[in-house]
Amino acid sequence: DTGVSQDPRHKITKRGQNVTFRCDPISEHNRLYWYRQTLGQGPEFLTYFQNEAQLEKSRLLSDRFSAERPKGSFSTLEIQRTEQGDSAMYLCASSLWDRGSVGQYFGPGTRLTVT
Amino acid sequence: DAKTTQPNSMESNEEEPVHLPCNHSTISGTDYIHWYRQLPSQGPEYVIHGLTSNVNNRMASLAIAEDRKSSTLILHRATLRDAAVYYCILASNTGKLIFGQGTTLQVKP
Repeated sequence: DTGVSQDPRHKITKRGQNVTFRCDPISEHNRLYWYRQTLGQGPEFLTYFQNEAQLEKSRLLSDRFSAERPKGSFSTLEIQRTEQGDSAMYLCASSLWDRGSVGQYFGPGTRLTVT
Repeated sequence: DAKTTQPNSMESNEEEPVHLPCNHSTISGTDYIHWYRQLPSQGPEYVIHGLTSNVNNRMASLAIAEDRKSSTLILHRATLRDAAVYYCILASNTGKLIFGQGTTLQVKP
């Protein structure tokens, strides 16, 4: 079990540029979640996948945001035409869901700074 | 989404037990009670979760009130490494977590 990994760990970009983040979940986990966290706040849910299907998207996820999990393994989160308000920590989590509720395991996050 | 209420901050002495309270009076019958903690500059860490019965694991214990409107996370012997923000969260079957402000726990040596 190597844990959830995220790449890159830090990204600095200029306003208007596109960025893409990658998340590799724990290998047998079928659910993958994306959250965003700004300074001093708790994480906010963005979207989640069960296998390759995207099952829910938050209203926070504007048209500029898109997430994929093409083969039900790793996932990417893309932000187009970045804005300064997108500066945040982007967190990925995974879980092995069968029934009921299980704990989620978080990665270290990707810190995005938009200048 | 059902909401939880936690104290903003708590203090504890090292090697003493810590009881972190959480109120969730609007919990629904299918909501699970989850606890996570977050150390500075790290992603959240799963601690424990339960539905109705009290739960124990290697990290902590979770005591759930009979009416499920409140719960308490118990750290049996606090260490300096337990200083973190602790989040009490109600999770539905989708599993998505709605984080609040959490409780910032300080542990004094």
